[in-house]
Amino acid sequence: QVQMVQSGAEVKKPGASVKVSCKASGYTFTTNGISWVRQAPGQGLEWMGWISTRSGNTNYAEKFQGRVTLTTETSTSTAYMELRSLRSDDTAVYYCARDREYTLDVWGQGTTVTVSS
Amino acid sequence: DIVMTQTPLSSPVTLGQPASISCRSSQSLVHSNGNTYLSWFHQRPGQPPRLLIYQISNRFSGVPDRFSGSGAGTDFTLKISRVEAEDVGVYYCMEATQFRTFGQGTKLEIK
Repeated sequence: QVQMVQSGAEVKKPGASVKVSCKASGYTFTTNGISWVRQAPGQGLEWMGWISTRSGNTNYAEKFQGRVTLTTETSTSTAYMELRSLRSDDTAVYYCARDREYTLDVWGQGTTVTVSS
Repeated sequence: DIVMTQTPLSSPVTLGQPASISCRSSQSLVHSNGNTYLSWFHQRPGQPPRLLIYQISNRFSGVPDRFSGSGAGTDFTLKISRVEAEDVGVYYCMEATQFRTFGQGTKLEIK
């Protein structure tokens, strides 16, 4: 079955960077894009950006432009989300999701990123 | 940018009774290809969101038929015909016509 398995929880200091991985299985990796969504504690869902697994083209939410980079490694069917210049309000659960036919049909389990001095 | 507004933000319901959630977009969600990309998700505490409905009214694989979606243009509705205990949680609408924008969420709880 289709699965998206994310890397483990991270604790970072303000100003640092974090890189979260998302390994896809159960389908051909390059047939669908991947979106990244985050959720701050007690808050709603916030879309961060999308990457084409075929071309590497990206589309970032304006809020994260210049601070986030999405990449993929097709040999291992893995997508990555790197967020730089971390602040305390970046503390959140970060999700990857398969972006298929204009919806997010399979989600990773989430990765908790805590930013604290 | 498109703004997605859900109402109500909280909905106490009785088991076995229907429930309805509204989602309104600040501009039409009809894509240039003629399709309308409005999805609904359900999230239980401590779990990732789960896709329920895509393109307004199509139930995703494994979603019970008590869930239905409707609407057009800028106004959309998710209905649960008879609420069950497992339906508690937060429901989100999301547009994918422009980028990907979520509504603020509606918390469904049992009375």
